[in-house]
Amino acid sequence: EIVLTQSPGTLSLSPGERATLSCKASQSVNSRDLAWYQQKPGQAPRLLIYGASRRATGIPDRFSGSGSGTDLTLTISRLEPEDFAVYYCQLYGSSPPMYTFGQGTKLEIK
Amino acid sequence: QVHLQESGPGLVKPSGTLSLTCAASGASIGSDSWWSWVRQPPGKGLEWIGEVYPGGSPNYNPSLKSRVAISVDESKKQLSLEVNSVTVADTAVYYCARGAEYSWHYWGQGTLVTVSS
Repeated sequence: EIVLTQSPGTLSLSPGERATLSCKASQSVNSRDLAWYQQKPGQAPRLLIYGASRRATGIPDRFSGSGSGTDLTLTISRLEPEDFAVYYCQLYGSSPPMYTFGQGTKLEIK
Repeated sequence: QVHLQESGPGLVKPSGTLSLTCAASGASIGSDSWWSWVRQPPGKGLEWIGEVYPGGSPNYNPSLKSRVAISVDESKKQLSLEVNSVTVADTAVYYCARGAEYSWHYWGQGTLVTVSS
């Protein structure tokens, strides 16, 4: 089973700043199988990025996903107040079919 | 627009069975999608429980496989989840979600299930 490790655990930034969130896999992954979600308190997760770099419907272009192999990144180019939340990376594995999540990164207002 | 809604008892006794359903509007649960259950213990991260494709065999998280059953009733347009022999560790918000391209584009709002005597 591939393990996903997200860093940092908590990221403190100010609106307008750039956020870089890391998701490191314990072995090389297919970029097609990697997604990112945003979750706010009391809400369901919201898909931001799938296929490592494809924005989901309605997601602003300040959100971007990149990376390959074992190192995947979610970048928020210029933070808006509504972006402060917890972010999870998620991986699909096919043998056997299995989905795993990183432990999450909390993005908080500095 | 796809809307998913989970429902079921909010309180289950230890060693009992947790049973939830998920109703979909705006999309048929019989359509060509995988349907999953994901849970989140209070204050913790997300855990995939399992998935089913209408007409196919379910896939389950190995850590839960012995206690979980997921099914689809296309006539009722419902997705179902059963977890048996529950313990306090099964207390969580349970989400249903519609899968596509190895991720979940649509989620229900979630329902909190507490395991307690």
